[in-house]
Amino acid sequence: DAGVIQSPRHEVTEMGQEVTLRCKPISGHDYLFWYRQTMMRGLELLIYFNNNVPIDDSGMPEDRFSAKMPNASFSTLKIQPSEPRDSAVYFCASSLLGTGDTGELFFGEGSRLTVL
Amino acid sequence: AQRVTQPEKLLSVFKGAPVELKCNYSYSGSPELFWYVQYSRQRLQLLLRHISRESIKGFTADLNKGETSFHLKKPFAQEEDSAMYYCALISTGRRALTFGSGTRLQVQP
Repeated sequence: DAGVIQSPRHEVTEMGQEVTLRCKPISGHDYLFWYRQTMMRGLELLIYFNNNVPIDDSGMPEDRFSAKMPNASFSTLKIQPSEPRDSAVYFCASSLLGTGDTGELFFGEGSRLTVL
Repeated sequence: AQRVTQPEKLLSVFKGAPVELKCNYSYSGSPELFWYVQYSRQRLQLLLRHISRESIKGFTADLNKGETSFHLKKPFAQEEDSAMYYCALISTGRRALTFGSGTRLQVQP
């Protein structure tokens, strides 16, 4: 397995544009997480899914952010409209029920977003 | 609500020196604590978990419930230990990890 796959790896856009980040979890994993990493705040949980259903979205900053998981092998995180303060590295991670309590999340390589 | 605090953003030591990366947490229940590491150009990955009471790459961490701490220690730092280290907590009934803000460890030759 290639692990968690994220795209794009880098995205540079202008303020006001829509941004869509994509994630393919490890096959068979039933939990999917979206995190945002910044220098000031470290890793923040945005939202997580279990069996494609959103469980906790309390970390989503505001209505400009939305996330979907239409099937077990694909998730998107969308920002519309984007703002400079959204510039960060966005990580997707997945885990398997039964290992969830052991805390082993498998992370993708991240999508570095720069909003000008 | 749970919270993880890593007071140091940067820790710089010389090769062979002891290392201690500090982590404190706040959570009213019985948490599970972890250390994750991100080496340059690599993915964030699990380093160790407190329930396993294991030593990985010479690192150990002991959960101190009285002080609500889970400091990461290594007696002799190596240059290849240079990385970003995150302390994390998982609470009962919740599958998502809460991370601290991270500490960058620089091991100088």
